[in-house]
Amino acid sequence: GAGVSQSPSNKVTEKGKDVELRCDPISGHTALYWYRQSLGQGLEFLIYFQGNSAPDKSGLPSDRFSAERTGGSVSTLTIQRTQQEDSAVYLCASISTGGASAGELFFGEGSRLTVL
Amino acid sequence: AQSVAQPEDQVNVAEGNPLTVKCTYSVSGNPYLFWYVQYPNRGLQFLLKYITGDNLVKGSYGFEAEFNKSQTSFHLKKPSALVSDSALYFCAVRDWAGKSTFGDGTTLTVKP
Repeated sequence: GAGVSQSPSNKVTEKGKDVELRCDPISGHTALYWYRQSLGQGLEFLIYFQGNSAPDKSGLPSDRFSAERTGGSVSTLTIQRTQQEDSAVYLCASISTGGASAGELFFGEGSRLTVL
Repeated sequence: AQSVAQPEDQVNVAEGNPLTVKCTYSVSGNPYLFWYVQYPNRGLQFLLKYITGDNLVKGSYGFEAEFNKSQTSFHLKKPSALVSDSALYFCAVRDWAGKSTFGDGTTLTVKP
């Protein structure tokens, strides 16, 4: 596609349920990030995938959070046993490593998660 | 560990006046520096970047930023602010491994 696509755009769930958030990066981008943005706050780094290397998971807040990237393309962020403090906008970004736009992050519109 | 500081939560300027949004950074090795903008209910958009070369870089919408190595700063500037520039601005630094770290953001409000 032309840009980074995220789904669902909005998700309302009950406390304790599991959720999956999907990111489809720009074709050809080898690196992919997940960030979390709470209301009025900055971007909190969650996880970073670069090619076939082991992902940098240093930002995942707890073991309830996990992410995978299949075939070097689509990524899924899974939150198990959701808590109210997980409510936020989850942003995915992919990055171009070559050309004039090298190093720039291209963000999706985000998935807004509300845990009741 | 790398870090980015945006010391001002809010910047208020009058339309037509110059604006500056401040950013300082800490990173090992050569810094790759970026500014992104987030308009209300929109995703983040790239504004400009410094990789190497001239310390003054120009970006979208008339914005520019000045890289100052000795002060480890990368302040965002615009000579004449527009009301439509009102948004949330993020400074980011990328390390050699590709990990990008963002500041907490600065809300810019331009009043008519």
